[in-house]
Amino acid sequence: QKEVEQDPGPLSVPEGAIVSLNCTYSNSAFQYFMWYRQYSRKGPELLMYTYSSGNKEDGRFTAQVDKSSKYISLFIRDSQPSDSATYLCAMKVGAGRRALTFGSGTRLQVQP
Amino acid sequence: GAVVSQHPSWVICKSGTSVKIECRSLDFQATTMFWYRQFPKQSLMLMATSNEGSKATYEQGVEKDKFLINHASLTLSTLTVTSAHPEDSSFYICSAEGGGAGEMEQYFGPGTRLTVT
Repeated sequence: QKEVEQDPGPLSVPEGAIVSLNCTYSNSAFQYFMWYRQYSRKGPELLMYTYSSGNKEDGRFTAQVDKSSKYISLFIRDSQPSDSATYLCAMKVGAGRRALTFGSGTRLQVQP
Repeated sequence: GAVVSQHPSWVICKSGTSVKIECRSLDFQATTMFWYRQFPKQSLMLMATSNEGSKATYEQGVEKDKFLINHASLTLSTLTVTSAHPEDSSFYICSAEGGGAGEMEQYFGPGTRLTVT
């Protein structure tokens, strides 16, 4: 079993839809949770970063962490064709300079 | 946000040759950088942790003699793929932590696509 599970998709939605992306994890020691967006042949771009449980909102993006269920989500409101990309969840144990453990990524396609 | 650059962005080399990839933090100091490899339609797999002024820490299954890492300064880490083979063809991405308000965000370079013929 992978430490971080993420549905690879592809997920296709119409423009303006609310998108829900999710990851589950098995390591209860994970404390820092991130969402990255990756366009084809580009490096990942940090979208959201959350510590421990709770919600965080930034514009059209909302990140949720439920540590009791080991479940994290990213919601995208009013989705745009430019949101079409692969979304990677990532997490790490503790503070300090540690590598991230990534989900496999979900490919999102927003249809105009 | 913090900026991490990589050079070159893509490279084609012949089997048996060596290739050096540079990773730079442009506007912040990074005592630790990470090197990942990504195959098509797959996620990022950590190869090694690069520490400024000391030896890199390699993940299990990654050959340290094949993937040489040098972290010569607080803004530069290099990955050298020695005696490259076609199976080394991949997308190599570096990251560095720091530069954000919380010092916990990790920023990625744009990646280097290596093709070994």
